[in-house]
Amino acid sequence: AQTVTQSQPEMSVQEAETVTLSCTYDTSENNYYLFWYKQPPSRQMILVIRQEAYKQQNATENRFSVNFQKAAKSFSLKISDSQLGDTAMYFCAYLLYNFNKFYFGSGTKLNVKP
Amino acid sequence: GAVVSQHPSRVICKSGTSVKIECRSLDFQATTMFWYRQFPKQSLMLMATSNEGSKATYEQGVEKDKFLINHASLTLSTLTVTSAHPEDSSFYICSARLGYNEQFFGPGTRLTVL
Repeated sequence: AQTVTQSQPEMSVQEAETVTLSCTYDTSENNYYLFWYKQPPSRQMILVIRQEAYKQQNATENRFSVNFQKAAKSFSLKISDSQLGDTAMYFCAYLLYNFNKFYFGSGTKLNVKP
Repeated sequence: GAVVSQHPSRVICKSGTSVKIECRSLDFQATTMFWYRQFPKQSLMLMATSNEGSKATYEQGVEKDKFLINHASLTLSTLTVTSAHPEDSSFYICSARLGYNEQFFGPGTRLTVL
């Protein structure tokens, strides 16, 4: 079975500082994708960053980067220079290659404080 | 990026009535769409996978006779909550698959059953 675990229900960070959100997953597969989604108060799900499991290089998108440790099945999200607009729920998600179903973690509520 | 719309955004209905929620991919064709349910402060729970021109695949524990899904075209999937009851009150989100590893989410529909 594929499961995704986010062990931090809620986190806070000061504006302009850096924060890391944790995610671990369980799978016996070798080819898959990992995602971080952001859900602001509007509840619209927004893709933050994506990582292909076959790529060793960690994905980056501007202030967002991941630390992908395939052997450890860990996929953390680092947000640099946090902004007030980063306040949201963040969900880690797993997709098995060629399989339509996404598995979501329970989410981490991030509060960016001024 | 690709846009997915949902209609209505909010609906209030009386217990025992049926409610239809529409999910449209506005600028791309989606052979596969997904329906999720999200309770307050919780993660997204996949309800069913909707494939154009065929019957939907429901997740374990989801009543297919209660949550009717129709995917009649490549841009439209509908979810009908039949004989709604207060426990069906929730936030319903659809998404549309694009390519091998990406899905775009609709803005969600808040259903309140009185």
